[in-house]
Amino acid sequence: DTAVSQTPKYLVTQMGNDKSIKCEQNLGHDTMYWYKQDSKKFLKIMFSYNNKELIINETVPNRFSPKSPDKAHLNLHINSLELGDSAVYFCASSSTGAYGFEQYFGPGTRLTVT
Amino acid sequence: GESVGLHLPTLSVQEGDNSIINCAYSNSASDYFIWYKQESGKGPQFIIDIRSNMDKRQGQRVTVLLNKTVKHLSLQIAATQPGDSAVYFCAVFTSGTYKYIFGTGTRLKVLA
Repeated sequence: DTAVSQTPKYLVTQMGNDKSIKCEQNLGHDTMYWYKQDSKKFLKIMFSYNNKELIINETVPNRFSPKSPDKAHLNLHINSLELGDSAVYFCASSSTGAYGFEQYFGPGTRLTVT
Repeated sequence: GESVGLHLPTLSVQEGDNSIINCAYSNSASDYFIWYKQESGKGPQFIIDIRSNMDKRQGQRVTVLLNKTVKHLSLQIAATQPGDSAVYFCAVFTSGTYKYIFGTGTRLKVLA
């Protein structure tokens, strides 16, 4: 069973469009994250939700809006897509009650904006 | 602001040799340190972690060393194998601020 899953795996779209990426985890974790990884492999955290509440909201354009309908899901909606949004987006989850705070990552969604 | 850096963007090692990947961090309040491995086309995967009250932790073929005095972290891989080829990230967590910061990554290439 996949622990952290994301859909779609690939997303090709035109500038100005609105798109969503979905994430689900079946690990029973209470915290979920969205990361953006650029072409140089730099991983930057965008958002973090703990028990459906936003706890980290890094400086990202307000065109990006996360939504957490429940603890197992964290979706990312992007409005008015721009060329610079092209990247790989990773969802991750972790449990604050465990020994450590290691995160479990999904397989990534490669977003290409043309 | 906080930063987490890696000393070498690419490290090439001969198969069978030991690899050492280094990481420097800036926040002395950081209390949890993790190494991740990212293979091509996949998400980062947890390798090993260490808390700030320890200076060494060993896993299977991997060892993490923490030097809080100089704010330095290293990952040692013993008898490096072709399957170890990947990008390695250190990550630093500060529980007081709930900040989780990834380093810039080091690509490990294993030469046959």
